[in-house]
Amino acid sequence: HSALTQPASVSGSPGQSITISCTGASSDVGTYNFVSWYQHHPGKVPKLIIYEVSDRPSGISNRFSGSKSGNTASLTISGLQAEDEADYYCSSYTTSGTYVFGTGTRVTVL
Amino acid sequence: QVKVVESGGGLVKPRGSLRLSCAASGFTFSDYSMIWIRQAPGKGLEWVSHIGGSGGATNYADSVKGRFSISRDNAKNSLYLQMNSLTDEDTAVYYCARGWRGGAFDYWGQGTPVTVSS
Repeated sequence: HSALTQPASVSGSPGQSITISCTGASSDVGTYNFVSWYQHHPGKVPKLIIYEVSDRPSGISNRFSGSKSGNTASLTISGLQAEDEADYYCSSYTTSGTYVFGTGTRVTVL
Repeated sequence: QVKVVESGGGLVKPRGSLRLSCAASGFTFSDYSMIWIRQAPGKGLEWVSHIGGSGGATNYADSVKGRFSISRDNAKNSLYLQMNSLTDEDTAVYYCARGWRGGAFDYWGQGTPVTVSS
C-alpha cells in the first residue's frame, strides 16, 4: 500500500478554518472507517486527535473534526490557533491487515 | 497513567542487527495490540509492524518483511522489535505505540533513534 496522499502544506490566519485532505484507495480509506489523525510537533510525541474518521479522544478540542467521502478523508481545524502549528498525519487500516500513514501536512499559522 | 518507553536504539553498521524494547505500564498490556512506527530524518511517519494482544497475530510493512520480527512478553509488559540486515534506509526514530479503537494508536513513547552507518 502506498502512502496516503496529503498536501505538503496548508496555512491560515488565527481564527480561520483550514482543511487537510487525505486521499487513499478502495483498499484502505475507501473500505474502512478506521481513519485516524495525528498531530506532531517536531521533537515531541505524536498525539492522536481523531479516530474512526470523526471521533475525538477525551481531552481533544472540538476545534478538530474529521470526515470521509469515498477514498478521501479530511481533517478540519476551526478557530486556528498558534499552538495548532505542527505536522499532521492521517492513517488508515488496509485490506491487507496492515496500516498506512499519509505523507504528512505542515500547518502554518500566519 | 499509561506509559510506553522505548530503548535499545543506537549506531549499527550496515547488515548489522539491533533489538529494540518497549516497556509498558499503567494498563493491562495483554489486552492491547502494540505497534512499531518509525520516522526517518526529514520524512513522515511509517508504520512498521504490529502484534495482537496475545502475540499470535503479527504483520509487517513490505519494507521490513523478512528482516524484522516483532514479539511481546506479556508477563514482562514488554514489546520487542528484532531488526536484522539493517540498511541506511532503516535509519529513523522508532516509536512504540498502543493500539486502540478503530486501528488508532493512542499512546506513543518518546522514540529511540537508530542510525545505520559504517
